[in-house]
This record gives sequence, structure tokens and C-alpha cells, in this order.
Amino acid sequence: EVQLVESGGGLVQPGGSLRLSCAASGFIFSSYWMHWVRQAPGKGLVWVSRISSDGSSTTYADSVKGRFTISRDNAKNTLYLQMNSLRAEDTAVYYCVRIYCTNGDCYNEGFHYWGQGTLVTVSS
Amino acid sequence: QSALTQPASVSGSPGQSITISCTGTSSDVGGYNYVSWYQQHPGKAPKLMIYVVSNRPSGVSNRFSGSKSGNTASLTISGLQAEDEADYYCSSYTSSSTVVFGGGTKLTVL
Repeated sequence: EVQLVESGGGLVQPGGSLRLSCAASGFIFSSYWMHWVRQAPGKGLVWVSRISSDGSSTTYADSVKGRFTISRDNAKNTLYLQMNSLRAEDTAVYYCVRIYCTNGDCYNEGFHYWGQGTLVTVSS
Repeated sequence: QSALTQPASVSGSPGQSITISCTGTSSDVGGYNYVSWYQQHPGKAPKLMIYVVSNRPSGVSNRFSGSKSGNTASLTISGLQAEDEADYYCSSYTSSSTVVFGGGTKLTVL
């Protein structure tokens, strides 16, 4: 069974930093591109970042570029999101997401498995 | 990157069909066949319902179908059921190699 378990969320002051982790199990983690998606309380989904299966390629939303860094440790089956210079508008539930693959084909924009999310609150 | 445009709410009676639209630009929806749809019940993580415009992941009911014309994608739910009541989001790959979501549509089953 595929499982994605996020951790590391919490309350942080504006300008502070936080590192989120996502522990993956039930699949060959090193074979899949992974994403982070966030959702502010009562608001819609917002894509944050993605990373290739080997970690060599990363992409970010403009709103977090230069402040957030996505990374992975395939030996530990873990995805990370380092968040620096946090702002109030970064307050959200952050989801770790695995893409959809079927019959040997993978679809980088189909977000199949989602974690339960971890809440990040940026406030003084 | 601006969010894709979805109606804030739609409604329908059990057994009816409804369609949710998702309008973007030639830089996202219109330029690529990488449109997905998600269902989200309150307090739950989203669920993938449609990928690459019109494909259903295994386990998703065939009452859900997707299509695209120009810069607008659509999700149709036929034979509406009470459990379909949820928020629905579209998403698309973009020319900036990013992903953009729609603002979400609240479906009410009357």
C-alpha cells in the first residue's frame, strides 16, 4: 500500500524557516517524480514544486522561487521541502504528492497519491 | 501564473448530469493535453478523477468523464449521486513547465 506521511509543520514567525519531510513507502520511491501542493485554510489547491526521480531536475512556482528548495533522499525514501523567508501567505496545509503511473507510463501532471498534509502557520 | 477559471459552484439533482468548466489560455489548457481533475471532500486529501484530459485512473467510476475544446476543459458527472457532493479542481501543465490549478468548484447535490 502506498503511503506518504508528511511531518515538520508548525507555527513559525514571518521570516523564519521550516523543513518539511515526507516519508514514502509501498512503492519504489526512486522511480517517481514527486510534488508538493499546498492549500491555505478554506482556499483552493496551489502547486508549489516538483522534483525528478533522481533529484537532478526541480521546478518551482513563482510565489516560492528563491525561498523554497525541494530535495529528496532516495536511500531514505524521503522527500523534503526547505522553506525560508516564510510569509503569512505561505500559511497552508502542505501535501506531498506522487504522480500517476500505469502500464509503464507515468503522467507528471496527474497527482495520484496524496499524503494527509502538514499544516504550516506563519504568524507572529 | 494565474489560476484557471472555474465556476464557484454548480448544483444538480440525483440522477442528473452536470458539467464543470475550466478555462485557461493557450499557454496551459489550450497548449497541452495535460489536464487533470480532482475531487476533494471536506477535511480530506484530493483524489485524482481524470488525467490527460479524459482518462480515468483505475477505480474511478465511469460516471466521470473529461473533455477539452480550445482553452476550456470540462468535467462531466452523469447519474449524480449524493456522494459526489464535494469540491472539484482542474489543473494543467503550463508553458513555464509548472502546474496551475483552477480555483475550485463546489458541487451541491440537491
